[in-house]
Amino acid sequence: TQLLEQSPQFLSIQEGENLTVYCNSSSVFSSLQWYRQEPGEGPVLLVTVVTGGEVKKLKRLTFQFGDARKDSSLHITAAQPGDTGLYLCAGSNAGNMLTFGGGTRLMVKP
Amino acid sequence: KAGVTQTPRYLIKTRGQQVTLSCSPISGHRSVSWYQQTPGQGLQFLFEYFSETQRNKGNFPGRFSGRQFSNSRSEMNVSTLELGDSALYLCASSLNRGYAEKLFFGSGTQLSVL
Repeated sequence: TQLLEQSPQFLSIQEGENLTVYCNSSSVFSSLQWYRQEPGEGPVLLVTVVTGGEVKKLKRLTFQFGDARKDSSLHITAAQPGDTGLYLCAGSNAGNMLTFGGGTRLMVKP
Repeated sequence: KAGVTQTPRYLIKTRGQQVTLSCSPISGHRSVSWYQQTPGQGLQFLFEYFSETQRNKGNFPGRFSGRQFSNSRSEMNVSTLELGDSALYLCASSLNRGYAEKLFFGSGTQLSVL
């Protein structure tokens, strides 16, 4: 069974601070995706990384895939209240069968 | 372009009953997958359908079943409901299937079993 562990589970920070969320596994994944979910809605895809060592940037968000394709991180620079939400990492090896991490609930206070 | 549509939005059932949830994918998308989200277990994969065939199945009992129609719309069924089946059921669609496909999720069906 492939597992993805996310840390931290909860994060409460002030606007303007930086933060990093980690996603770790003992298994190799062909791809790693990051999603953000708001209350009452389904997850929304932020990024997909497929190559070991890959780094992708989306405005103030930076995503990294580990060299061995077993771990990933999400770094947010100068967090804003609009970044508040549940961040989920998900790994895939076959089709659209995703293994999700437990999620990181982020709250950014103004 | 309309997103993934799931109906109903909310559902209340009692133990022992059965329930059918519906998912209409984005137009042109051929793959539909289903996930269960609970506070304790998080998001867990149920099954994936492509071209009316189940391609992958998660670790759930046989009470959970699904199907996909020729227009790519999908339904999932849960029979003999248990209290532990209370969850948000999410459907996701994508153009094709593959480990790097972009998945688009619906808003889900919130099922409460009393």
